[in-house]
Amino acid sequence: DAGVTQSPTHLIKTRGQQVTLRCSPKSGHDTVSWYQQALGQGPQFIFQYYEEEERQRGNFPDRFSGHQFPNYSSELNVNALLLGDSALYLCASSIDRNSGNTIYFGEGSWLTVV
Amino acid sequence: GEDVEQSLFLSVREGDSSVINCTYTDSSSTYLYWYKQEPGAGLQLLTYIFSNMDMKQDQRLTVLLNKKDKHLSLRIADTQTGDSAIYFCAESIRGYIPTFGRGTSLIVHP
Repeated sequence: DAGVTQSPTHLIKTRGQQVTLRCSPKSGHDTVSWYQQALGQGPQFIFQYYEEEERQRGNFPDRFSGHQFPNYSSELNVNALLLGDSALYLCASSIDRNSGNTIYFGEGSWLTVV
Repeated sequence: GEDVEQSLFLSVREGDSSVINCTYTDSSSTYLYWYKQEPGAGLQLLTYIFSNMDMKQDQRLTVLLNKKDKHLSLRIADTQTGDSAIYFCAESIRGYIPTFGRGTSLIVHP
């Protein structure tokens, strides 16, 4: 049983460009959350998707957007990249009806903006 | 300020016990978690405790919760070099959207 898988694992982008990161949740999970983890910090919540809709959002600008597909996989899009967007982007999946003890994280996508 | 606070570093000798501490501010938190992050990797859920519990033990791990002081601790017995990692404390309400601390770097030396 594959866990949460993310792609790509590493990427380098230039300021002003756009990036798309992808996530496949753990089998049986229907809820996907995205987190940004800057160096030396804890993960910061970006947003959560359930039933293909953004259910909750953290304190991130509109440059950060996402999507959830019918198979529960998800994408995170970041437009107009800034140097400060350089971070590890983590995807987490869970079962909506019992989220508390079933939040699993992927290995993350390392984004470097130059 | 931070919703979840942790000390940044802890150094222990192999074989000793490690105790990582965490304080949180939201009294309505119902789930409290400990995650482990090894270098270059994602977060691994180690254990969690419900807010109506005082203690939870899972093999070498013991979690203690003092709800009155909003203090959570993780004790690792017989710490090994493979336990070297960053440990994150997190809290959530009803199990949704955990809020993480900045993490404690545990360094285990021979």
